[in-house]
Amino acid sequence: DAKTTQPNSMESNEEEPVHLPCNHSTISGTDYIHWYRQLPSQGPEYVIHGLTSNVNNRMASLAIAEDRKSSTLILHRATLRDAAVYYCILLKTSYDKVIFGPGTSLSVIP
Amino acid sequence: ETGVTQSPTHLIKTRGQQVTLRCSSQSGHNTVSWYQQALGQGPQFIFQYYREEENGRGNFPPRFSGLQFPNYSSELNVNALELDDSALYLCASISDSGDTQYFGPGTRLTVL
Repeated sequence: DAKTTQPNSMESNEEEPVHLPCNHSTISGTDYIHWYRQLPSQGPEYVIHGLTSNVNNRMASLAIAEDRKSSTLILHRATLRDAAVYYCILLKTSYDKVIFGPGTSLSVIP
Repeated sequence: ETGVTQSPTHLIKTRGQQVTLRCSSQSGHNTVSWYQQALGQGPQFIFQYYREEENGRGNFPPRFSGLQFPNYSSELNVNALELDDSALYLCASISDSGDTQYFGPGTRLTVL
């Protein structure tokens, strides 16, 4: 299984943009890049996913490098509710078992 | 709101006992997966069911077993509980036409 590498932790000020990086240098052509987040005491929550093109939804944007070996999750204006562990995961289909790494723990400073 | 519910929210058992955890998925979600999340770690895949048949399993012993029912509910059963089984247990469901997994809030199991 292709692996991802993320920083262990990041900090952001409230209402500022946050860029969460993810490296996946061994990604295959059929791997989709998924992002989940897990708020304290809750189950993981789907954030966004993409294959090659940048993607936007109501929660975030996903910027994918041209060679697909890295991606960045962008939260446009961090709020205190965005404090969570963010997981970058590669999946060939939505039915794949999700292999969670340690993720990035995001702290948002008021 | 993912539409995936789990019960109970919390549970305390003693070593050697058996436990059944329950998950209810949305209508039309024929695939369900179960995960174990120890404190401070990411979730670990236990197994997956599709239309009542197991179709994938992680590195967990046979005392972890499951059932899936036609009404989109499922169960995780753990026999001969060990202290290390203390964890948050998560289920996730996927629709046949879906493109992602939707997780429930989890059941916190404590084994004393």
